[in-house]
Amino acid sequence: GPKVLQIPSHQIIDMGQMVTLNCDPVSNHLYFYWYKQILGQQMEFLVNFYNGKVMEKSKLFKDQFSVERPDGSYFTLKIQPTALEDSAVYFCASSGDNTEVFFGKGTRLTVV
Amino acid sequence: GDSVTQTEGPVTVSESESLIINCTYSATSIAYPNLFWYVRYPGEGLQLLLKVITAGQKGSSRGFEATYNKETTSFHLQKASVQESDSAVYYCALGASNTNKVVFGTGTRLQVLP
Repeated sequence: GPKVLQIPSHQIIDMGQMVTLNCDPVSNHLYFYWYKQILGQQMEFLVNFYNGKVMEKSKLFKDQFSVERPDGSYFTLKIQPTALEDSAVYFCASSGDNTEVFFGKGTRLTVV
Repeated sequence: GDSVTQTEGPVTVSESESLIINCTYSATSIAYPNLFWYVRYPGEGLQLLLKVITAGQKGSSRGFEATYNKETTSFHLQKASVQESDSAVYYCALGASNTNKVVFGTGTRLQVLP
């Protein structure tokens, strides 16, 4: 079936540095999402993105976070600067209609 | 806010036994939520197991089924006879059809013993 690819699967970054998480969504999908899951907690919505714009974001989507999809390439989540509490697994997702969302396997971000 | 509560895991059952994982939801900002069950098999990404977008309807897939009950705000997942290959983490979720934002439960780890 359709696959959302996330690269890399694990990233370690020094606190205060910038990190960019990459997501290759399903071809022809138009809606894109990021979710965050801290170890032992539930997966929580961060942001959704459509037509080059953020449609909705949660309170977890701090000012240090930004998303973009330049020229229809990767959908990215940038964190600048990173903080220890940003350590989590970040899941990218995409959808082409209003009923099914496809998820990637996640990128585990460790901020040290 | 919108939330989903589901059976706290881990749940352990023997092969061929029946299974029910409870799920209740609260949709305060979404008038007509879509309801989902997602599953994550070991080493795999999250994938949709079944979805129901109309209250009163039942969804089914791979022997699992769940009925969208608006009166009790429930969407319990059931299977009559589980298999060892069903061992995974199951997530109940609700979503808004206009934004596709999905609210997840905490997940229930299911272990099926041979």
